Amino acid sequence: QKEVEQDPGPLSVPEGAIVSLNCTYSNSAFQYFMWYRQYSRKGPELLMYTYSSGNKEDGRFTAQVDKSSKYISLFIRDSQPSDSATYLCAMSAIGGYQKVTFGTGTKLQVIP
Amino acid sequence: NAGVTQTPKFRILKIGQSMTLQCAQDMNHNYMYWYRQDPGMGLKLIYYSVGAGITDKGEVPNGYNVSRSTTEDFPLRLELAAPSQTSVYFCASSYSISGNTIYFGEGSWLTVV
Repeated sequence: QKEVEQDPGPLSVPEGAIVSLNCTYSNSAFQYFMWYRQYSRKGPELLMYTYSSGNKEDGRFTAQVDKSSKYISLFIRDSQPSDSATYLCAMSAIGGYQKVTFGTGTKLQVIP
Repeated sequence: NAGVTQTPKFRILKIGQSMTLQCAQDMNHNYMYWYRQDPGMGLKLIYYSVGAGITDKGEVPNGYNVSRSTTEDFPLRLELAAPSQTSVYFCASSYSISGNTIYFGEGSWLTVV
């Protein structure tokens, strides 16, 4: 079993839809949870991060962490064609700077 | 803002050749990393550094070497290139010990033939 599981997609939605991207994990020591966005032929860029459980909102993006279920989500409201990219979840334990574990990424396409 | 700069962007190597991927960051980050990204496999850590003069192996270090003589630079050396090293390579840096805010370069596409 992989430490972090992420559905690779692709996920195709119409413009304006609400998108839900998810990851599950098995390591209960993970405390930091991140979402990265990666456009084609570019490096990943940090989108959001949360510490421990709870929700965090930034504009159209909401990150949720449910540590009891070992499940994290990224919601995108009013999705735009510019949101078309691969979304990577990532997580790490405290002090584990060398052990940030990435999901394999979900490819999202928002159709105008 | 330059951030993390990698060169070259694209390179084709023959089996057995060696080369160095260059990486520089201008954010004064202590922590720097090299990852490789293969389709369906996610990002795998090759080497990392916690400061000038200090490096350590990551998950997939075989066939690679690094050095960190300055805070800014973290080159990755490929010795005796093999087809299995065909990949996209990302250099990254962070200021946080937890690595929760990693900044990535644009990537270097390497093909070994």
